[in-house]
Amino acid sequence: KAGVTQTPRYLIKTRGQQVTLSCSPISGHRSVSWYQQTPGQGLQFLFEYFSETQRNKGNFPGRFSGRQFSNSRSEMNVSTLELGDSALYLCASSFRIQAENTGELFFGEGSRLTVL
Amino acid sequence: AQKVTQAQTEISVVEKEDVTLDCVYETRDTTYYLFWYKQPPSGELVFLIRRNSFDEQNEISGRYSWNFQKSTSSFNFTITASQVVDSAVYFCALSLWSSASKIIFGSGTRLSIRP
Repeated sequence: KAGVTQTPRYLIKTRGQQVTLSCSPISGHRSVSWYQQTPGQGLQFLFEYFSETQRNKGNFPGRFSGRQFSNSRSEMNVSTLELGDSALYLCASSFRIQAENTGELFFGEGSRLTVL
Repeated sequence: AQKVTQAQTEISVVEKEDVTLDCVYETRDTTYYLFWYKQPPSGELVFLIRRNSFDEQNEISGRYSWNFQKSTSSFNFTITASQVVDSAVYFCALSLWSSASKIIFGSGTRLSIRP
């Protein structure tokens, strides 16, 4: 069973640019969550999508957005990049039957973004 | 608000020693999940265990064991007879029943096992 796949694994951008990260969940998983990991702030929840709808959102500015497609694949976008956006962005998928509750989260290896 | 505290930033032990990673959590909710994840250098978070707030039974899985005590809001993790492959960053985490995918992580404990 293939795991959670995130692309690209590494990328370098400059301030002001935008970036799109992709996440393919485990087959059959309908819930995808995104987390940001930085040395200073640690692991922080960005948002979760289930059945193409955002279900939960963390405390991040509107520059951070996401979406989910009908095949459960998800993308997150960061616009007007700032130096502080440099981080490891982790995607996690879970098997979720209904809107409430969720199962175990399976994480991908992350996309490491460097903003210069 | 929910919070997870891992007071031990780094721990270094010699192989075969036992080591305990501490975790203290805060929440006013009565229904929640507690987790432990392992993060090796590759970056992927590896799930180790999930407990719900109604189940205070301690759990053992091979060399790993977990001690959940609601009275002290602690969920400690012990590795028995540590091995070099156990070297990683370990995260304790909490999520509420109502939004279980929104996990609040502790700051992590970097564990180094010396041969």
